[in-house]
Amino acid sequence: DTGVSQDPRHKITKRGQNVTFRCDPISEHNRLYWYRQTLGQGPEFLTYFQNEAQLEKSRLLSDRFSAERPKGSFSTLEIQRTEQGDSAMYLCASAPLPEIAKNIQYFGAGTRLSVL
Amino acid sequence: EDKVVQSPLSLVVHEGDTVTLNCSYEVTNFRSLLWYKQEKKAPTFLFMLTSSGIEKKSGRLSSILDKKELFSILNITATQTGDSAVYLCAVGNTGNQFYFGTGTSLTVIP
Repeated sequence: DTGVSQDPRHKITKRGQNVTFRCDPISEHNRLYWYRQTLGQGPEFLTYFQNEAQLEKSRLLSDRFSAERPKGSFSTLEIQRTEQGDSAMYLCASAPLPEIAKNIQYFGAGTRLSVL
Repeated sequence: EDKVVQSPLSLVVHEGDTVTLNCSYEVTNFRSLLWYKQEKKAPTFLFMLTSSGIEKKSGRLSSILDKKELFSILNITATQTGDSAVYLCAVGNTGNQFYFGTGTSLTVIP
């Protein structure tokens, strides 16, 4: 499978615990995005990498959220001290170089987080 | 504030009907508008539009963009039950950020 891969698919955690999600983008894509999607809403942009550089992180929901892409390949999204309001689907998407004809994101299946 | 608004929020039609989904936007430094279909999984890409007035077509689906009035429509003709899904509109800016609408939930009844 050469699509965007996310792991785990589901995560159940207790309030106050830390969680980390992983995203493996399509191999030739140098852009990687993280989104949060709650029921009945569209994906909400969180952060964006071009290669290993995090070009936008002001939309991360709070300082409990952080993301890394240390080698410009896979990325991790960490949520510290989880709260019940963090329960959502976390989607990762990747895209090739931002040429106008290829400004298309391809999404992974997402990680569904449930905070008890 | 940049925003994307989709209407209607939900729609129920019978097989064979034609539907039109709407997407209006206010996004600074517009670059492209994208339509996605989301079933109970990840959004899958349908169309990317960058120029006004040029219709994109794929089978029974088509879409067009009006950059002057800042909206796009997605048409689905001869709907089938397999078209039941949430249709998402996203607008990308020149900073490579994307803003999504809340989606239109389409249900096609046999």
